[in-house]
Amino acid sequence: LAKTTQPISMDSYEGQEVNITCSHNNIATNDYITWYQQFPSQGPRFIIQGYKTKVTNEVASLFIPADRKSSTLSLPRVSLSDTAVYYCLVALYNQGGKLIFGQGTELSVKP
Amino acid sequence: GAGVSQSPSNKVTEKGKDVELRCDPISGHTALYWYRQSLGQGLEFLIYFQGNSAPDKSGLPSDRFSAERTGGSVSTLTIQRTQQEDSAVYLCASRQGRVGDYEQYFGPGTRLTVT
Repeated sequence: LAKTTQPISMDSYEGQEVNITCSHNNIATNDYITWYQQFPSQGPRFIIQGYKTKVTNEVASLFIPADRKSSTLSLPRVSLSDTAVYYCLVALYNQGGKLIFGQGTELSVKP
Repeated sequence: GAGVSQSPSNKVTEKGKDVELRCDPISGHTALYWYRQSLGQGLEFLIYFQGNSAPDKSGLPSDRFSAERTGGSVSTLTIQRTQQEDSAVYLCASRQGRVGDYEQYFGPGTRLTVT
């Protein structure tokens, strides 16, 4: 299975750009990289997905190098409300898009 | 539009009792997943449905856990003879099922407390 490794915690300040890097050395050819956000007492919420190169949506960007063994989630100009746990996950193509959650990165945004 | 709903939102039960947890996925979503999250822990995969079939039950912790899905829609997770270690938040998620689209929509969860 494609296990992911990401920092346990990060601190930032309002208005800064935050980059969270994740490694997934064993990613398979057809698997996708996805990122989710979770607030306390809520279910995870999808942020972005990508296969290779760069993907951008209204809330984040995802950078994936050619070897796909890592990815970086970029959150532009974070606010206090971005304080949450961020999960880097590999969606397993051969297992119906199944997600294996790790501990995630606890992002704390300070004023 | 309507998201994934789960019921009950909270359930307190006595050790040894059976419980049923319900998940209503987004209409038209063919893939459905169950996860659980213990206090202060990450999410743990339990089971995955594609339509009414469960090709992956590898995460079910024991034979006390079972799940079914009917009509390609509603799913029920049943825990028999509950134990205190079953206490957790049980989360359901659904996905359209298209290749290349891996966004899972999570419900609010059912908080199960076994006393």
